[in-house]
Amino acid sequence: AQSVTQLDSQVPVFEEAPVELRCNYSSSVSVYLFWYVQYPNQGLQLLLKYLSGSTLVKGINGFEAEFNKSQTSFHLRKPSVHISDTAEYFCAVIKETSGSRLTFGEGTQLTVNP
Amino acid sequence: GAVVSQHPSRVICKSGTSVKIECRSLDFQATTMFWYRQFPKQSLMLMATSNEGSKATYEQGVEKDKFLINHASLTLSTLTVTSAHPEDSSFYICSARPGVAGHIQYFGAGTRLSVL
Repeated sequence: AQSVTQLDSQVPVFEEAPVELRCNYSSSVSVYLFWYVQYPNQGLQLLLKYLSGSTLVKGINGFEAEFNKSQTSFHLRKPSVHISDTAEYFCAVIKETSGSRLTFGEGTQLTVNP
Repeated sequence: GAVVSQHPSRVICKSGTSVKIECRSLDFQATTMFWYRQFPKQSLMLMATSNEGSKATYEQGVEKDKFLINHASLTLSTLTVTSAHPEDSSFYICSARPGVAGHIQYFGAGTRLSVL
């Protein structure tokens, strides 16, 4: 069963528009949640993480995400995107019972157009 | 801080040859390193987890004799693709986890393997 679902495979937006990339997870145990960004032909860079505490987490490059336990979601948001935000974004989860085993969603390609 | 170096970034080889990919944590000790494979336009699939000084744990469906993993020190893990074939062509990415109880993985820049 898929543990992490990214609902949109592609999200095109115009520069300076707000964006939300959706992520839902399924788990019966506690989870740790992550968003990573991947630029073409590169590895992954950590944008932000939720381990515990405040459900609204702020990351690099102006991104933020909110952990919603009741809706099992961890959507990524940015109020105003730049051309340079064009990249692939991956939501990932570590289940408390799985050690450090990261499970990734399918990815969302964000394309910011001028 | 937390830099992971992966080398080479790109390799082209003939079918039947072996290729070694290195993953180094430059400014921290990595008790655990992970190897992923990524096909075009797809997500990352975990291949194996390697702990320093012990045998790697492979995911189901990954051939351990095909993908040899060595984690001889706290800063270096290697993945050797033995007798590579065109179907092994892919993007391979490593990650490293500092310490024992941390949940954050830092990723290398990846290696593009093309087998002719």
